[in-house]
Amino acid sequence: DAKTTQPPSMDCAEGRAANLPCNHSTISGNEYVYWYRQIHSQGPQYIIHGLKNNETNEMASLIITEDRKSSTLILPHATLRDTAVYYCIVHSLTKETSGSRLTFGEGTQLTVNP
Amino acid sequence: NAGVTQTPKFRILKIGQSMTLQCTQDMNHNYMYWYRQDPGMGLKLIYYSVGAGITDKGEVPNGYNVSRSTTEDFPLRLELAAPSQTSVYFCASSYSGHLLSSYNSPLHFGNGTRLTVT
Repeated sequence: DAKTTQPPSMDCAEGRAANLPCNHSTISGNEYVYWYRQIHSQGPQYIIHGLKNNETNEMASLIITEDRKSSTLILPHATLRDTAVYYCIVHSLTKETSGSRLTFGEGTQLTVNP
Repeated sequence: NAGVTQTPKFRILKIGQSMTLQCTQDMNHNYMYWYRQDPGMGLKLIYYSVGAGITDKGEVPNGYNVSRSTTEDFPLRLELAAPSQTSVYFCASSYSGHLLSSYNSPLHFGNGTRLTVT
């Protein structure tokens, strides 16, 4: 799986958009970009994933660059409850590799300030 | 749905003791996983299973055993607890059907078991 690089920490003001970057310059054509977050002491929570196109759901938006070497997770109106560690993961799952290892790095600690 | 349920929430073991961490899911997911998370670190995969009767090693399997006799349950066994196994353990599950899109379905995590070995 491609390695990802994220800043160790970021701050954001409550109510503003939080933009979390992730570099994955060695991503291959069949690898998806996933984002999870982990609020202190809880299990990680899935946020969003995508392959090529930008994606949006009720939690966030995912912007993937045209060359797919980087992506940005956008929380449009951050709240105090969005304070968490955010993990960007790149992984390929095919019928042959389904269920194989999904590796979490150390992520970005996002702190939303009042 | 309760999702992924882990028991116990907390446990303190003495060196050399054994215990089983329980994990059950009610989403009829084929795939189940065990991760450990040391303080300030990311998650490391211990074992995973693609279906009942099938298990495989992850990154850090030494000192652990698993079984998968049913779709719902995926217990993790520590036979001889060591201080290096002090960690938070997370169980997860994911769906996999017969469509390519389902191979990339997200993981659903439990809330973890905090284990201390002294």
